[in-house]
Amino acid sequence: QQQVKQSPQSLIVQKGGISIINCAYENTAFDYFPWYQQFPGKGPALLIAIRPDVSEKKEGRFTISFNKSAKQFSLHIMDSQPGDSATYFCAASKGGSQGNLIFGKGTKLSVKP
Amino acid sequence: DTAVSQTPKYLVTQMGNDKSIKCEQNLGHDTMYWYKQDSKKFLKIMFSYNNKELIINETVPNRFSPKSPDKAHLNLHINSLELGDSAVYFCASSQTGVSETQYFGPGTRLLVL
Repeated sequence: QQQVKQSPQSLIVQKGGISIINCAYENTAFDYFPWYQQFPGKGPALLIAIRPDVSEKKEGRFTISFNKSAKQFSLHIMDSQPGDSATYFCAASKGGSQGNLIFGKGTKLSVKP
Repeated sequence: DTAVSQTPKYLVTQMGNDKSIKCEQNLGHDTMYWYKQDSKKFLKIMFSYNNKELIINETVPNRFSPKSPDKAHLNLHINSLELGDSAVYFCASSQTGVSETQYFGPGTRLLVL
């Protein structure tokens, strides 16, 4: 049972373009939504995270948009660069010490120069 | 200074063997985790420890056992290794609870022959 659905599975974007990755969740008790970035041969690293009390959060070229009623959230990467090429994972959790981080299946992003 | 370290980085072993993977964090975090990433890059939590107590125990085979000698260490022991155990295993740590940023180690690539 997959509680966080992520799309697309892979994405190719030209340098300078906008990369958009979407996630949908089922459990309305989720209250923490992070995005992780993973380069080949490395562990995932937190990129940006949002809580449901806001609809958008921006950090540099990275923006999370959150739609609580639709139970969807997305990552936008503006002015995509070849160095952004990586696998991106969305995740969700109920929070607190008893919750799990449930990860989406990942999106492999390739930014072409 | 490496925040979360794992040893070994690579582990190649025969089916039926017993092996251990070590994890150490120097961030002073309260909670540590073990994740399994399969060949399709899917990340799934296996265990987490908070102050030396198991607080999450996913439905993993009992051949897998986490052991925490102190707050900074969470080792993973695997008995009677099977072909399906081949994966990348990541250790992670966070402060307070699962909604805080999780810092991942570099991963241990396990290949069971």
